[in-house]
Amino acid sequence: GAVVSQHPSRVICKSGTSVKIECRSLDFQATTMFWYRQFPKQSLMLMATSNEGSKATYEQGVEKDKFLINHASLTLSTLTVTSAHPEDSSFYICSAQRANTEAFFGQGTRLTVV
Amino acid sequence: DAKTTQPPSMDCAEGRAANLPCNHSTISGNEYVYWYRQIHSQGPQYIIHGLKNNETNEMASLIITEDRKSSTLILPHATLRDTAVYYCITEAGSGNTGKLIFGQGTTLQVKP
Repeated sequence: GAVVSQHPSRVICKSGTSVKIECRSLDFQATTMFWYRQFPKQSLMLMATSNEGSKATYEQGVEKDKFLINHASLTLSTLTVTSAHPEDSSFYICSAQRANTEAFFGQGTRLTVV
Repeated sequence: DAKTTQPPSMDCAEGRAANLPCNHSTISGNEYVYWYRQIHSQGPQYIIHGLKNNETNEMASLIITEDRKSSTLILPHATLRDTAVYYCITEAGSGNTGKLIFGQGTTLQVKP
């Protein structure tokens, strides 16, 4: 099946700093990617839709200035958590869909803000 | 977007079939039913999807009722590695966009 890769898989950062998470589709082009976050023992929550070459679409309640999304190419989307705080600690997951097939998910990034 | 309802947890004996139900009574005519699973601390893994007809692949079978208001995922011979949270999702939006809204899922525990 198609492969979606995230980097890094784990990151620890200090409060107030920014962290960038990369999501790559390794064997297909993705005009649209999606970003989710997941708190412990909870389900995945859709944060935003990343569109290649245009602005991301954020779900209600998600701060677009805090979670910056860039989709500069057909194989790469990045999520930058700006001025991170401990409450931003979570499991961040991306997904991408190859044309007319199912969505494939990355392995996730565990962010810990200390 | 159609909402789905799943039991929060289920147990299954190793080697037996696991039947995971899902209700999606408000599903619209062009919405697919997708099943994913998530093993602890990993990204969700695609299992199977369908629209109207029953589907089978190397992982599972999907049985969709004629009125499309419910479906059942069948793992024919569950193993310990099938222990995971299983999500039944109806696709948001139109045209197979890949935008998936997750519910709480069913935690399947396969026991020896």
